[in-house]
Amino acid sequence: DTGVTQSPTHLIKTRGQQVTLRCSPISGHKSVSWYQQVLGQGPQFIFQYYEKEERGRGNFPDRFSARQFPNYSSELNVNALLLGDSALYLCASAPPMSTDTQYFGPGTRLTVL
Amino acid sequence: DQQVKQNSPSLSVQEGRISILNCDYTNSMFDYFLWYKKYPAEGPTFLISISSIKDKNEDGRFTVFLNKSAKHLSLHIVPSQPGDSAVYFCAATGSSNTGKLIFGQGTTLQVKP
Repeated sequence: DTGVTQSPTHLIKTRGQQVTLRCSPISGHKSVSWYQQVLGQGPQFIFQYYEKEERGRGNFPDRFSARQFPNYSSELNVNALLLGDSALYLCASAPPMSTDTQYFGPGTRLTVL
Repeated sequence: DQQVKQNSPSLSVQEGRISILNCDYTNSMFDYFLWYKKYPAEGPTFLISISSIKDKNEDGRFTVFLNKSAKHLSLHIVPSQPGDSAVYFCAATGSSNTGKLIFGQGTTLQVKP
């Protein structure tokens, strides 16, 4: 079985640029969540989408946006990048009957210079 | 406001002995708790979970205990193996159904051969 996949693996951007990160959930999972993890901390919740609808949003500025496609894959967009956006961005998917148990992908390492 | 806390940044145990990782939470609305393991350059891997209607859940070498009155949970690994060396995160969620997991800061476990 293929797990959650994310692309790209690594990304380097400069301040002010925009970035798009991509995620494909485990087959059969309809829920996708995004988290930001900075060094030394636990993952911080950004968004959850279920059946293409936003179901939850964390305490992140409007520069962060996401969407979910009919095939349940998802994109996270971050505009006007700041140095502080440098982090590991994690995507997680959850099965329909147990959306609290989330399974994570390997993450995208974003570096903002 | 850290709603989920792992007060021990690191723990070192001998192979074959018991590892006990602790986690405290402040929000009484949390009703589902999870433990994840994370290796460097990988996403968190789901280990075990527990609902607030239980006080113990066991899966092989891993057992999670929940003390609701103390707002405390712990993960026991018996026997510990060198491959268990990783960062362990506890996470919690409530019945608000937003899919938001709140993570602790993590505890780095080192199992010495």
